[in-house]
Amino acid sequence: DARVTQTPRDKVTEMGQEVTMRCQPILGHNTVFWYRQTMMQGLELLAYFRNRAPLDDSGMPKDRFSAEMPDATLATLKIQPSEPRDSAVYFCASGLSPLGNYGYTFGSGTRLTVV
Amino acid sequence: KQEVTQIPAALSVPEGENLVLNCSFTDSAIYNLQWFRQDPGKGLTSLLLIQSSQREQTSGRLNASLDKSSGRSTLYIAASQPGDSATYLCAVGSYNTDKLIFGTGTRLQVFP
Repeated sequence: DARVTQTPRDKVTEMGQEVTMRCQPILGHNTVFWYRQTMMQGLELLAYFRNRAPLDDSGMPKDRFSAEMPDATLATLKIQPSEPRDSAVYFCASGLSPLGNYGYTFGSGTRLTVV
Repeated sequence: KQEVTQIPAALSVPEGENLVLNCSFTDSAIYNLQWFRQDPGKGLTSLLLIQSSQREQTSGRLNASLDKSSGRSTLYIAASQPGDSATYLCAVGSYNTDKLIFGTGTRLQVFP
């Protein structure tokens, strides 16, 4: 059963520290998304890539967040420096463009707590 | 800008009832709509995907319909069970972008 793998599952860190979250998309999927979920805002799209190229990162605070795809099997989301307001669950999803036909598959998420 | 709304925000029903969850969107130029389920502390599980050319999709006790012109989708759950308790999210994909815009969800509780 193909799935999107995210690591770590949980991360607790102190304010000011760097945080790196990783995602392994489903093999063959060419589009990767990063979402953040909080009670207040629900699911927000932070950034997404197609064929490893960033297409839209307008939902991401650029001063502290960065997203990359070093290769087709790995996507990363970094926060430096982290702040308590970054505490949320971060989801990665992958799909095969054109997405009208296939939809998205989500990972289990990384629960980030910044203290 | 696409906005997605889900009503009701929360629903509590006894086991066995048939349910309807509603999703509305402001921009009818969508290429698909997807319903997800999220259990507490877990990720999102895709339930049904309706393409813009389709009117409905069915999977077991679930049936999702799509009316693009009115900007609405409904998720029908037949003979609800306690195991159906979860948050249900709808999300729409728009033309010319791969973005999926989510509603705020309906939190469902089915009690025995």
